[in-house]
Amino acid sequence: QKEVEQDPGPLSVPEGAIVSLNCTYSNSAFQYFMWYRQYSRKGPELLMYTYSSGNKEDGRFTAQVDKSSKYISLFIRDSQPSDSATYLCAMSKADKLIFGTGTRLQVFP
Amino acid sequence: EADIYQTPRYLVIGTGKKITLECSQTMGHDKMYWYQQDPGMELHLIHYSYGVNSTEKGDLSSESTVSRIRTEHFPLTLESARPSHTSQYLCASSEWGKADTQYFGPGTRLTVL
Repeated sequence: QKEVEQDPGPLSVPEGAIVSLNCTYSNSAFQYFMWYRQYSRKGPELLMYTYSSGNKEDGRFTAQVDKSSKYISLFIRDSQPSDSATYLCAMSKADKLIFGTGTRLQVFP
Repeated sequence: EADIYQTPRYLVIGTGKKITLECSQTMGHDKMYWYQQDPGMELHLIHYSYGVNSTEKGDLSSESTVSRIRTEHFPLTLESARPSHTSQYLCASSEWGKADTQYFGPGTRLTVL
């Protein structure tokens, strides 16, 4: 069983929609939770970072962590075509990052 | 924006050739990493370094080798490329004590014929 599970999508939504991206994990030792965004032919860039259960908001993005359920989410409000990318969740353990497979998101005008 | 660079961006090469993928960062980060990424798959850590003269193997076994002679430079070498080495290779760096906030380069797409 993988330590981090993420639905690969693809997810296709109209512009302006609210997008929900999710990951589940099995290891209680994970301490920090990240979301990276990766555009085609580019490296991942850090989007959101959190270490506790609850919500963290940054503009149109909200990261949610539920440690009791071992579940994290990324919400994108008012999605834009420029949000079209692959979103990877990542979790840290013993000074390393464990990544999900990534969810490919397509926002169409 | 992170200042981490990788060259070449794309490489197509024949079986048996020796290749070196370059990675450099100008942020003074102590920690550097190499990941392998295949389409639809997770990033897998293949090498990392805590600083100069420090190299460690990652979770995914790889026939490649790395060196860290200077803080800013972390090249990856394949002595004899094979088609099974075809993949995307991503380099990343982070500050000491902040391994969870890694900055990635643009990647090298390697194709071995």
